[in-house]
Order: sequence, then C-alpha cells, then structure tokens
Amino acid sequence: EIVLTQSPAALSLSPGERATLSCGASQTLSSNYLAWYQQRPGLAPRLLIYDASTRATGVPDRFSGSGFATDFTLTISRLEPEDFAVYYCQQYGDSLSFGGGTKVEIK
Amino acid sequence: QVQLVQSGAEVKKPGSSVKVSCKASGGTFSSYALNWVRQAPGQGLEWMGGIIPIFPATNYAQKFQDRVTITADESTATAYMELRSLRSEDTAVYYCARYPGSGTFNWYFDLWGRGTLVTVSS
Repeated sequence: EIVLTQSPAALSLSPGERATLSCGASQTLSSNYLAWYQQRPGLAPRLLIYDASTRATGVPDRFSGSGFATDFTLTISRLEPEDFAVYYCQQYGDSLSFGGGTKVEIK
Repeated sequence: QVQLVQSGAEVKKPGSSVKVSCKASGGTFSSYALNWVRQAPGQGLEWMGGIIPIFPATNYAQKFQDRVTITADESTATAYMELRSLRSEDTAVYYCARYPGSGTFNWYFDLWGRGTLVTVSS
C-alpha cells in the first residue's frame, strides 16, 4: 500500500500570504495519479486538483498543483478567508489512499 | 446537475450491520464509479471501496474486504454500502463520492454526498 505523508501538519498564515503544502509518497505514483481536496468544517471534501496539476472545474487559479514521482505540492498563491481549511492529498495509482491532512489556519 | 443524496444518520449496536444508500439525482448513473469514503470524528479520510455500476465491477480496500459489500441498483440510480460486524471504531461519517468515468480503478472524486453519520454504541 502506498503511504502518503503530508507536511506540515498545520500551517499558520495570514490572508494574502502564499501557502505551500507538501505530500510525499512512499513509492513512485504511476502517471502522477495524485489529487488534492479541501475540506471546510462540517462539509464534505471538495476536489481541487487531479492528475497532480489539473485544476478541477470551478477551482480558482490561485490553487496550483505540481510535482511528480514521490514529491507533490499544492500551492495557494494568495490566501483568501475561505481558504482556511484542511487539505488532503490522495493517490489513485496503486489502489487508493489519502494523506493525513494539512490544516491551514489563520495566524 | 447531478447530486448525491445519502440516507440519514444511523445508530447501531456493536456486532450488527448498517446499510447506507446514495442516490444520484439529476443525471446519469451507470457511466460513473461510485465510492465510499469514511471519516472518524476528528480524523482523516479513509477509502473503503467502490463500484462501477455499468459492468458491475467492485474494488475494495484490503482493510474492509471481509466486512463491506458495495452494490448498485441502476433502476433507482442508487448505490449501497453495507458494513458488517460493527465495532465502536466504525463510528464515522460515511461519504459517497463519484469518479467521473468508468474505464479503470484509478479513481479520484469530483462529486461528494453530504455524508451519513453512523454511530456504533451499546
């Protein structure tokens, strides 16, 4: 089973700042099969990025995904108030698994 | 616009079973893969398994292989997840989630239900 490790576990930033979230895989992901989700309190997750770098429909362009093989990054270029949430990565190249999440909180 | 409408909250005794439903309203059903992901209180996301109704074909996480059955009824556009031999650790919100395709088991999820809280308590 591929294990995904997200870092940091929590990130304290101010609105307008840049957020950089990391997701490391225990094995190379085939075809860069990696997705990112945002989850606000009490709500279901929302797809942001799939195939490592493709934005999902309706996702603002301040969200971008990058990386390959075992190292992936989600960048939020300028944090808006609604972006403070928990973010999860998920691999779907070998079965399916989620990372433990990164909480982006207001500083 | 397609929505995934899940059944209501359940309270179950340890050792019993629960069956949660997910109805796709407002769009096609069979050409997608429908999956189940759970989230224990204050914890992360855990994939349980999924089904491609058009074949039908299922794919389960190894952890749940012996305790979960996922089915789909095309006539009602509804998917079901049954979890057996419930224990307190199964207390969680159970989400159904859609992969927008049907060709493979390489699934990400572009549409989610609102979740169903299952509480296991004696």
